[in-house]
Amino acid sequence: NAGVTQTPKFRVLKTGQSMTLLCAQDMNHEYMYWYRQDPGMGLRLIHYSVGEGTTAKGEVPDGYNVSRLKKQNFLLGLESAAPSQTSVYFCASTSRGPYNEQFFGPGTRLTVL
Amino acid sequence: QKEVEQDPGPLSVPEGAIVSLNCTYSNSAFQYFMWYRQYSRKGPELLMYTYSSGNKEDGRFTAQVDKSSKYISLFIRDSQPSDSATYLCAMISNNAGNMLTFGGGTRLMVKP
Repeated sequence: NAGVTQTPKFRVLKTGQSMTLLCAQDMNHEYMYWYRQDPGMGLRLIHYSVGEGTTAKGEVPDGYNVSRLKKQNFLLGLESAAPSQTSVYFCASTSRGPYNEQFFGPGTRLTVL
Repeated sequence: QKEVEQDPGPLSVPEGAIVSLNCTYSNSAFQYFMWYRQYSRKGPELLMYTYSSGNKEDGRFTAQVDKSSKYISLFIRDSQPSDSATYLCAMISNNAGNMLTFGGGTRLMVKP
């Protein structure tokens, strides 16, 4: 099992450019999450999904959109990147039910110039 | 004020020392408490989780929860250089999406 994988690992964008981050999991998990991690801020939830075709906003959703067309994939989109979106992005997944362990991907390092 | 506060460190200790990492929280709805370990340039991995107040031990690691004081701790005995990482506390209330609230993380360095 590959677990949770993220594509790409690194990316540099110019202000105003768009991009999509892909997260894939092979554990048949229902729930998936996108976080951003900034120095001293821990992990902050951007958007999440509790099942195929569903998405919901987290703590810091502005400037991002998501889609969950397939159970195993969760896409995070930046329509018009801003320098404030420079961060490390992590995807995670977990099975349905209370308080289950979230499994994290290796992260995507994004720099917006 | 953040819901979960954690001293960012860095915390530098000699090999073999006992390490104490702590978090405080303000939301009394938090029911499950977790510690994640994150090595440099890697994703976080679950280290321990606890539910009730009291202690839970796993090898060299002990997680402690005091719900009355809204305070949790992670103790590492006989610390090793391989324990050098960032430790993130995380908490969850009874919400539909199993969403976690993280502390800012404490960076630990164990020197040989």
